Amino acid sequence: QKEVEQNSGPLSVPEGAIASLNCTYSDRGSQSFFWYRQYSGKSPELIMSIYSNGDKEDGRFTAQLNKASQYVSLLIRDSQPSDSATYLCAVKYSSASKIIFGSGTRLSIRP
Amino acid sequence: SQTIHQWPATLVQPVGSPLSLECTVEGTSNPNLYWYRQAAGRGLQLLFYSVGIGQISSEVPQNLSASRPQDRQFILSSKKLLLSDSGFYLCAWSVEEMQPQHFGDGTRLSIL
Repeated sequence: QKEVEQNSGPLSVPEGAIASLNCTYSDRGSQSFFWYRQYSGKSPELIMSIYSNGDKEDGRFTAQLNKASQYVSLLIRDSQPSDSATYLCAVKYSSASKIIFGSGTRLSIRP
Repeated sequence: SQTIHQWPATLVQPVGSPLSLECTVEGTSNPNLYWYRQAAGRGLQLLFYSVGIGQISSEVPQNLSASRPQDRQFILSSKKLLLSDSGFYLCAWSVEEMQPQHFGDGTRLSIL
């Protein structure tokens, strides 16, 4: 079964610290990986896409992909209260014509 | 730029009533289109997706159906709603399957 696993949290991080969110997947052939942010009561918003091994940085966000270990992570530097949300990891499996979403990690930034 | 419109934002319906939710995408041609449902505090459940006009793939057997009458229009329907159909319904689009999906604002459906 195609799965994308995330720790549901909540993950509590002090303001200004680095928040680290992790995600594992089961299909070694996967090539597209995405991180979405979802505020309570709102729709998911794409924040990062990553397609190759290594790090990809965009402002305070860094996505890290390790295909050999089958995990993808999201780092949020200088965490702000506005970063408090649920973060969804999504993976495009090679054998499926759709993206598989994890159930999300709830992040709480405490002042 | 591309935009996705989804309406209504909220809907309250009695059990056994019909349903029609509409989603349209602007600024792109032949998008992949998706319908998801999200129960309170839960993850996204893919209901239907479409790669072209008239092409619908169903992920979960249920009393819902989907149609794509035009290239950029995706409709979610039901003839008789059940209490279990309550949830947050999201429409999404992508350029193609390897690319990320972009979501509409969603419809919060409550069944009474």
